[in-house]
Amino acid sequence: GQNIDQPTEMTATEGAIVQINCTYQTSGFNGLFWYQQHAGEAPTFLSYNVLDGLEEKGRFSSFLSRSKGYSYLLLKELQMKDSASYLCAVIGGRGSTLGRLYFGRGTQLTVWP
Amino acid sequence: GAGVSQSPRYKVTKRGQDVALRCDPISGHVSLYWYRQALGQGPEFLTYFNYEAQQDKSGLPNDRFSAERPEGSISTLTIQRTEQRDSAMYRCASSSGGGTGNTIYFGEGSWLTVV
Repeated sequence: GQNIDQPTEMTATEGAIVQINCTYQTSGFNGLFWYQQHAGEAPTFLSYNVLDGLEEKGRFSSFLSRSKGYSYLLLKELQMKDSASYLCAVIGGRGSTLGRLYFGRGTQLTVWP
Repeated sequence: GAGVSQSPRYKVTKRGQDVALRCDPISGHVSLYWYRQALGQGPEFLTYFNYEAQQDKSGLPNDRFSAERPEGSISTLTIQRTEQRDSAMYRCASSSGGGTGNTIYFGEGSWLTVV
């Protein structure tokens, strides 16, 4: 089966740094996405990792360890507008799961002033 | 089009009626996906297409659900004999490739309420 775990909720203050963890167990692996979703809106792409290591993009960075089935999203210099749900998603890579995106439940981040 | 377009945005239907949800992907995108998302949950995979071929429909909950993409562009998700448990946000997404690393873009979704 497929299993993606991430914390349900996190809180942080403006200007701080927060790390959202994601662990996964899937049959095959072809990459991991992070999406941001504000309430009532469509998920929007943040990052994609397929090789081990850290990918940095402005205030956001994403890390992947395939051997550990683990990823994290790091958000720096938090702003109020970063309050949203952050979704971890894995692309399956074997047989019928190829191209199928498995999502976690999302981590609701609340940023306080 | 510029983005993934879905219609209707909101649909209220009586139990037992059939509904059809439409998705117009980003122009030129090969892959098209249907997801269902409940409040407070991540999107749940339903089915996906490469061009007009349905690659995986294992996520469709039962045989009342079907999807097609006859010309490899616009897709329709059809739910027959709707039930209250079908009420959810249905999201369409598209990507330029087979999904293995190409960014997947989501539409605004179709809110379905079955009364």
